[in-house]
Amino acid sequence: QITLKESGPTLVKSTQTLTLTCTFSGFSLITSEVGVGWIRQPPGKALEWLALIYWNDDKRFSPSLKSRLTISKDTFKNQVVLTMTNMDPVDTATYYCVLRQRSSSGWSNYFVYWGQGTLVTVSS
Amino acid sequence: QSALTQPASVSGSPGQSITISCTGTSSDVGGYNYVSWYQQHPGKAPKLMIYDVNNRPSGVSNRFSGSKSGNTASLTISGLQAEDEADYSCSSYTSSSTPWVFGGGTKLTVL
Repeated sequence: QITLKESGPTLVKSTQTLTLTCTFSGFSLITSEVGVGWIRQPPGKALEWLALIYWNDDKRFSPSLKSRLTISKDTFKNQVVLTMTNMDPVDTATYYCVLRQRSSSGWSNYFVYWGQGTLVTVSS
Repeated sequence: QSALTQPASVSGSPGQSITISCTGTSSDVGGYNYVSWYQQHPGKAPKLMIYDVNNRPSGVSNRFSGSKSGNTASLTISGLQAEDEADYSCSSYTSSSTPWVFGGGTKLTVL
């Protein structure tokens, strides 16, 4: 059974750095051809893809946020960590951890597995 | 403003059918058969309902179906049930600088 769960602060101040951790189970980032990523959703607004890290340490970032984002993995702890610098109130959102899988037909362009999400509020 | 355009709201009575549209461009919806749809109940994570335009994941009711014509994808829910009341968002792979884009979401109300 595949599960993902986000953890991190619920409140950060403007200009601070946000660090979120995704702890997963049911798959491995060592041997599996998978990627773990982050998607966020401001209250009442659309989903927005942020970043993805693959089993081979390949990393992808949203161009609009690339300068502020870092993503890393700890394969032994089954964790992926996202950091976002210089937080602003517009970054207030629920942040989701997601799994990207590869099948016989290639890489999926959809997300079956999501974490429960963690709401991060940025105060000014 | 979201990359993909969806109506803000739709409604229908139990048993009826509704369709939600998702309009993009030739760089996303129109260019690839990689449109997906997500259902989201308040305070919950999105749930995949349709992938690759018209495929249902295991466990999703066959009342949900997807299609695409040109730059517009559609999600149809037939035999509306009270439990279908939720927000629905579309997504597409895109050849632009970010690999996936999303619609702004459509609130479905079951009357």
